[in-house]
Amino acid sequence: DADVTQTPRNRITKTGKRIMLECSQTKGHDRMYWYRQDPGLGLRLIYYSFDVKDINKGEISDGYSVSRQAQAKFSLSLESAIPNQTALYFCASGAQETQYFGPGTRLLVL
Amino acid sequence: EDQVTQSPEALRLQEGESSSLNCSYTVSGLRGLFWYRQDPGKGPEFLFTLYSAGEEKEKERLKATLTKKESFLHITAPKPEDSATYLCASSSNTGKLIFGQGTTLQVKP
Repeated sequence: DADVTQTPRNRITKTGKRIMLECSQTKGHDRMYWYRQDPGLGLRLIYYSFDVKDINKGEISDGYSVSRQAQAKFSLSLESAIPNQTALYFCASGAQETQYFGPGTRLLVL
Repeated sequence: EDQVTQSPEALRLQEGESSSLNCSYTVSGLRGLFWYRQDPGKGPEFLFTLYSAGEEKEKERLKATLTKKESFLHITAPKPEDSATYLCASSSNTGKLIFGQGTTLQVKP
């Protein structure tokens, strides 16, 4: 079984809709992260959490929010989706600096 | 500002033709230098962590090395299944990873 799982794997939504992407990890890691990946822009950090009570903004947090429901669960919400949030989203977890990535969620905002 | 730059952007090799990928970094207080492999539409797969200049790590046909300013990923006698995008990232005392843009490797049979 995969150590980091993401749901859904693919999502199509409309402008203005609120959506949530979910991430779970089974390794018992304290640290969890959300990234987005766009062609030519590489991986960019949206939010990160070093433990359940710790939430930090990354370099591109505007338009996003997160919730760390438990050590194993970290969800990303788009409050009002817009087309330029169309991207591939990755969740990652780690105990120290090394991060292990999930399979990704492909999001299309129409 | 912490920065990671990878070169070349794309590399085409014939099967068996060895080469190296470069990762240059400027980081205050390097905590680690990381290499990942990413296949199209999939999540990055962890390969190596290097912590200090002079350190080397190997896995099958891949060997990663680290100097004070650069890291290299050497690919010896590559096979078509080595085709992927290779990502380099650095970690400073913030605990966050800074990723390069990646090198897309294509190995032709």
